[in-house]
Amino acid sequence: GDSVTQMEGPVTLSEEAFLTINCTYTATGYPSLFWYVQYPGEGLQLLLKATKADDKGSNKGFEATYRKETTSFHLEKGSVQVSDSAVYFCALYSGGYQKVTFGTGTKLQVIP
Amino acid sequence: DTAVSQTPKYLVTQMGNDKSIKCEQNLGHDTMYWYKQDSKKFLKIMFSYNNKELIINETVPNRFSPKSPDKAHLNLHINSLELGDSAVYFCASRGGRDYGYTFGSGTRLTVV
Repeated sequence: GDSVTQMEGPVTLSEEAFLTINCTYTATGYPSLFWYVQYPGEGLQLLLKATKADDKGSNKGFEATYRKETTSFHLEKGSVQVSDSAVYFCALYSGGYQKVTFGTGTKLQVIP
Repeated sequence: DTAVSQTPKYLVTQMGNDKSIKCEQNLGHDTMYWYKQDSKKFLKIMFSYNNKELIINETVPNRFSPKSPDKAHLNLHINSLELGDSAVYFCASRGGRDYGYTFGSGTRLTVV
């Protein structure tokens, strides 16, 4: 079945540092890929998405590129802020199971 | 207007009680889901309905019963609550394979 593997956290960075959260996937066919963010005490929000190979999703300074050859969708941001502290989930939808499959989440803590 | 709304936001109840959580979406989506998030932030799918028809029923105790009176509503009823049922329950809806989920803000269930 489908699966998503993302790096374990927590990840602790200083403000303005560069962020990378690794995500790799296994899926049948050509999945759509997503990053979700969950701020403390809130539900998950869609951060960005990419629906086909080589697409780049971007939002709020975050970027991720759909790499079919390495089955990866790593999340990056050039300069993190304290307000980016949250849990980030990588996810995919391949249609066969009619559901989004989530990774285990990576907690990011940004310190001033 | 909230796109996916859940009630109640918090629910504290004793073991053995029966409780319900309600979810409504005003996005016109055909597919709705219930997820359980544990204390480590792991998301586990429980159920999914597509236009009032049950399409996903994961390995969930039969004390949990979903009901979808129409495609805009998906409720979750839990009988004989146990301590292990304590978690955050999220409702979500999906508008198409390329759009991911829209989540509700969650219901924090605490069984004492």
